[in-house]
Amino acid sequence: ILNVEQSPQSLHVQEGDSTNFTCSFPSSNFYALHWYRWETAKSPEALFVMTLNGDEKKKGRISATLNTKEGYSYLYIKGSQPEDSATYLCAFLNYGGSQGNLIFGKGTKLSVKP
Amino acid sequence: GAVVSQHPSWVICKSGTSVKIECRSLDFQATTMFWYRQFPKQSLMLMATSNEGSKATYEQGVEKDKFLINHASLTLSTLTVTSAHPEDSSFYICSCTSGSIRYEQYFGPGTRLTVT
Repeated sequence: ILNVEQSPQSLHVQEGDSTNFTCSFPSSNFYALHWYRWETAKSPEALFVMTLNGDEKKKGRISATLNTKEGYSYLYIKGSQPEDSATYLCAFLNYGGSQGNLIFGKGTKLSVKP
Repeated sequence: GAVVSQHPSWVICKSGTSVKIECRSLDFQATTMFWYRQFPKQSLMLMATSNEGSKATYEQGVEKDKFLINHASLTLSTLTVTSAHPEDSSFYICSCTSGSIRYEQYFGPGTRLTVT
């Protein structure tokens, strides 16, 4: 059974703090790793799709790194703002998986206090 | 990014009735649509994958006769929960993609189903 673990489960930070969280996934048959940002009552929003070992991607204050050999990805948020409050999901796609069979973690719920 | 709508956003129904949930891609043609389910404090779990004009492919453990999926056009897929029971109460969310599996899936906002 393929399992994707995210930690921590929840995180409370002050505005201006930088933070990061982890996504662990199986290191064999890796195809792609997706990060999503999900605000309450809205659609999950795609942040990054990462495919290459050592990949680093950045979008504004948010960045992510990928290590496919050891099976983890980090998501970093620099200078957190209240609008960053959301649940951050990662999803793993393995090489043998059927099209689009993303396996999701449970998410990290981030709360940023002003 | 692409916009996907889902309707209704929440529904309460009585046990034994059927409920239809619509998923629409508003500004692109979705060759493939996915239906997920999320129980409280659990991950999004894929229920089925549907390609336009084809029968849906269901994940292990998902009853195809209970969860009817129709993907009649490149912009619309429907999920019908037939003879709903309280254990079907969950959050149902669809996603769409128009290309390679490497690409992002664009999600709808989800439907909260409560069966009484």
